[in-house]
Amino acid sequence: AQTVTQSQPEMSVQEAETVTLSCTYDTSESNYYLFWYKQPPSRQMILVIRQEAYKQQNATENRFSVNFQKAAKSFSLKISDSQLGDTAMYFCAFFLTGANSKLTFGKGITLSVRP
Amino acid sequence: NAGVMQNPRHLVRRRGQEARLRCSPMKGHSHVYWYRQLPEEGLKFMVYLQKENIIDESGMPKERFSAEFPKEGPSILRIQQVVRGDSAAYFCASSPGLAGDNTQYFGPGTRLTVL
Repeated sequence: AQTVTQSQPEMSVQEAETVTLSCTYDTSESNYYLFWYKQPPSRQMILVIRQEAYKQQNATENRFSVNFQKAAKSFSLKISDSQLGDTAMYFCAFFLTGANSKLTFGKGITLSVRP
Repeated sequence: NAGVMQNPRHLVRRRGQEARLRCSPMKGHSHVYWYRQLPEEGLKFMVYLQKENIIDESGMPKERFSAEFPKEGPSILRIQQVVRGDSAAYFCASSPGLAGDNTQYFGPGTRLTVL
């Protein structure tokens, strides 16, 4: 079974600065996907970024980028130029392709952006 | 293109009543997933359905819970004889089910409160 660990329960960052959220996972498989989802106070789950395990290049989406270290099973999210609207819970999630097609989520991290 | 729709957004039931949660996937998506989120926790997989078929229900409690995704109409998650422990946010997600695109897009969730 796959597990996802987010060991930091909460973090805080000053507006306009950069913050990195950590995530590690455990799997014996080689073909999978990793995601970061954001859950603001509205509780809506919003896709932030996606990474295919077979791609060595780290995914980027505007101010969001990942540091994917496959050998270390690490998948951190970097948020540059933090904005007040980035305040939310952030969940790391693992998806194994094939019959076991479901997302396995970490417990999440609460990010607060200070003005 | 409308996103994933869920209704109702809030549902209050008394112990012993039935709860029906509805999910309409994004247009063109044939795969539906249900997840449950307890307070201060990440999402936990419940069931994965395609049209008229349950593909994986390994996360569903064995009793009182059932799900369907009929040929016509929304997917339904049904909870019979609700108990207080069923109080949670229930999220539906859909994906196109195409090779290379298994990203799941989430609805706004249904918050179930059992009195």
